[in-house]
Amino acid sequence: DSGVTQTPKHLITATGQRVTLRCSPRSGDLSVYWYQQSLDQGLQFLIQYYNGEERAKGNILERFSAQQFPDLHSELNLSSLELGDSALYFCASSVGQRRDQPQHFGDGTRLSIL
Amino acid sequence: GEDVEQSLFLSVREGDSSVINCTYTDSSSTYLYWYKQEPGAGLQLLTYIFSNMDMKQDQRLTVLLNKKDKHLSLRIADTQTGDSAIYFCAETRDPGGADGLTFGKGTHLIIQP
Repeated sequence: DSGVTQTPKHLITATGQRVTLRCSPRSGDLSVYWYQQSLDQGLQFLIQYYNGEERAKGNILERFSAQQFPDLHSELNLSSLELGDSALYFCASSVGQRRDQPQHFGDGTRLSIL
Repeated sequence: GEDVEQSLFLSVREGDSSVINCTYTDSSSTYLYWYKQEPGAGLQLLTYIFSNMDMKQDQRLTVLLNKKDKHLSLRIADTQTGDSAIYFCAETRDPGGADGLTFGKGTHLIIQP
C-alpha cells in the first residue's frame, strides 16, 4: 500500500460528459502529480501541484484541469469527454517539489467512455 | 525516437536472474527510477538511482547505470512467480525543471516454471 488513495476505482460515462477524479496524497507529502496511462500513449505526465500551487504542466489537454486544496487532496476534472480519453489515470505524491524525491503512486482510476 | 526505450517482453525461468534494460536519450537525465505494475494495480516504486552513482543494490534488485551509453538495467536475482509484472523505467532531469517523470513503454516480465 503506497498510502496514496484514489477514488473512484472505476468510472463509466458517455461522450460529452464531465467527471472528477480525486486523490489523497500520502501523509506529509506536499506534491501531487497526475498521469494518464493508455495503450497507445503509454504513461504520460499531465500536471503537478505543490502545496496548492500549480508547479509543472505536461501533456494536459485544455479540456482537463486540476486543483489542489488546502488539505492537500487533489482533483482532476475532465470535461467534454471523448472516446480517446478512456484510460487509467494515476495520481502520485512526493514529499516536496524536487524531482529527486521519489513519487509514490495510487492504484489509479479507470475511466471508460462509452 | 522515444525519450526512454525498453524491450516489450522478457521471458525467464523461475530461479534464474532477470535483466531488464532501458536506454534514455537525454544526457541531462539525472534521476532514474524503476517501477513495477502488476495486473490491475498501480505503480510500485522499486528502486531509483541518481546520476552520481554507477550501481545500487537492494536485496534481490541490482541497478546498473552506464552514463556514457545512457543505459540503465535492473537485475532481479532468483526470479519468482510473484515477479511477473510490467517494469517501467522512468527518468527526470534537472530538479528545477518543469516536468514530471518520463516513462518507457514498460517491459512485460514473463516467468516460466
